[in-house]
Amino acid sequence: DQQVKQNSPSLSVQEGRISILNCDYTNSMFDYFLWYKKYPAEGPTFLISISSIKDKNEDGRFTVFLNKSAKHLSLHIVPSQPGDSAVYFCAASVGRGSARQLTFGSGTQLTVLP
Amino acid sequence: GAGVSQSPRYKVAKRGQDVALRCDPISGHVSLFWYQQALGQGPEFLTYFQNEAQLDKSGLPSDRFFAERPEGSVSTLKIQRTQQEDSAVYLCASSLILNTGELFFGEGSRLTVL
Repeated sequence: DQQVKQNSPSLSVQEGRISILNCDYTNSMFDYFLWYKKYPAEGPTFLISISSIKDKNEDGRFTVFLNKSAKHLSLHIVPSQPGDSAVYFCAASVGRGSARQLTFGSGTQLTVLP
Repeated sequence: GAGVSQSPRYKVAKRGQDVALRCDPISGHVSLFWYQQALGQGPEFLTYFQNEAQLDKSGLPSDRFFAERPEGSVSTLKIQRTQQEDSAVYLCASSLILNTGELFFGEGSRLTVL
C-alpha cells in the first residue's frame, strides 16, 4: 500500500515557466511533509518542507502548498531553470523531527528545457 | 568529512554471498538512517539509529539484513546470503537529533546481485 503517491513519473517544462509537481498521501496521521531533489549518481538533497499547521511555505523560487482536506501537496518552481532538472521526491512523516522515518513517493523526473 | 560518505559505491555479488555496506555520517549527527531504493522507486526506510542504539528496525525486509553502529558514528549494513531481489541502491542518511527532520543523504551504495 503506497501511502505517498506521485502519479506523474515525468514532467517537461520550458525554461522560465512554472513547474508544478504533485503528491498525494493516504495516511491522515502524516503531519510533516518534505520535498527532496535528486541528481543522477547523487543522494537526495532536502529542498523544502511544510508542517500540517500551514498551507503554504515559500523559499525563493520554491513554494510548497498543502491541502489537508484533499491529502494533496504540490511543489511550485517559478521560474524554472535548466539546473532544476532532477528527480523530485515527496516525503511525509508522522511528527516533525529526525526521530521519525520518512515515507517517500516514487519520484517525478523534471526536465527543464532551455 | 563534510558530507555523508558511503562505501563501496558499487558492489556486484553472486547470489548467496554476504555483503557489507559502510556509512560514515556527518560528524556530530546523532541520528542515522538506512534506506533501500529499488529502480524507479523512492527510498524505503530500513532502520534507524540514535547514537549506537537501534531504535527502529521495522523496515528490514528479512533476518538476512542486519545493521550496527557500535560506537555511535560509522554504521554497517550487512546482508547475508544475498538474493536477486536485494539488488538496489542502499542510502544512508544522518541528521541532528533536534533538527527539523531533514536528512542528509550519502550518494548510496548500488548493489547488484547476479
